[in-house]
Amino acid sequence: SQQGEEDPQALSIQEGENATMNCSYKTSINNLQWYRQNSGRGLVHLILIRSNEREKHSGRLRVTLDTSKKSSSLLITASRAADTASYFCATDAGYGGATNKLIFGTGTLLAVQP
Amino acid sequence: GAVVSQHPSRVICKSGTSVKIECRSLDFQATTMFWYRQFPKQSLMLMATSNEGSKATYEQGVEKDKFLINHASLTLSTLTVTSAHPEDSSFYICSATRTGAPYEQYFGPGTRLTVT
Repeated sequence: SQQGEEDPQALSIQEGENATMNCSYKTSINNLQWYRQNSGRGLVHLILIRSNEREKHSGRLRVTLDTSKKSSSLLITASRAADTASYFCATDAGYGGATNKLIFGTGTLLAVQP
Repeated sequence: GAVVSQHPSRVICKSGTSVKIECRSLDFQATTMFWYRQFPKQSLMLMATSNEGSKATYEQGVEKDKFLINHASLTLSTLTVTSAHPEDSSFYICSATRTGAPYEQYFGPGTRLTVT
């Protein structure tokens, strides 16, 4: 399977703490993206990091990418109860043309306790 | 902007019947639409990629005769699950990309299909 893997599978923290999720993938990529999914809902795009970037920030989110290790991490700082959701990484290997398929990781279920 | 809707949000059908799920881009023209399925507490698995006016490209292991995809316009794609069986029960999610911006996919809210 080409699917990436994320760890931990589940993470429970207190409000105000930081949450770190890791993603490993198998193929060369054009970019890596992180998405959030609330239970039973669609996905919301959080951040995209290109293969030539090493770190990117967006608000309370910090993403790193290590292409030599084929891994990425998502850090959520000062977590809030509203951050409770599943988080998925997705890699875009750029299979050609204008349609870039995403391969999703297994996901991390984050629970932020108030 | 970049809103994608799906209809219906939930559907229950009997085994052997067919059900159609619509995916619409409400405020942009979608060059490409993708269909995923997601089992409980699992990740999204890409089923097929569709471009307006052309046949869908199915992922390995996805039966094209069972999951019929029609991308009739730049704002609408439909997925028809034919002769549904209980094992087809799943969460189906579509996404769309904008013309000129292929890297970001905008996801619909998903459709929960239950086959009894």
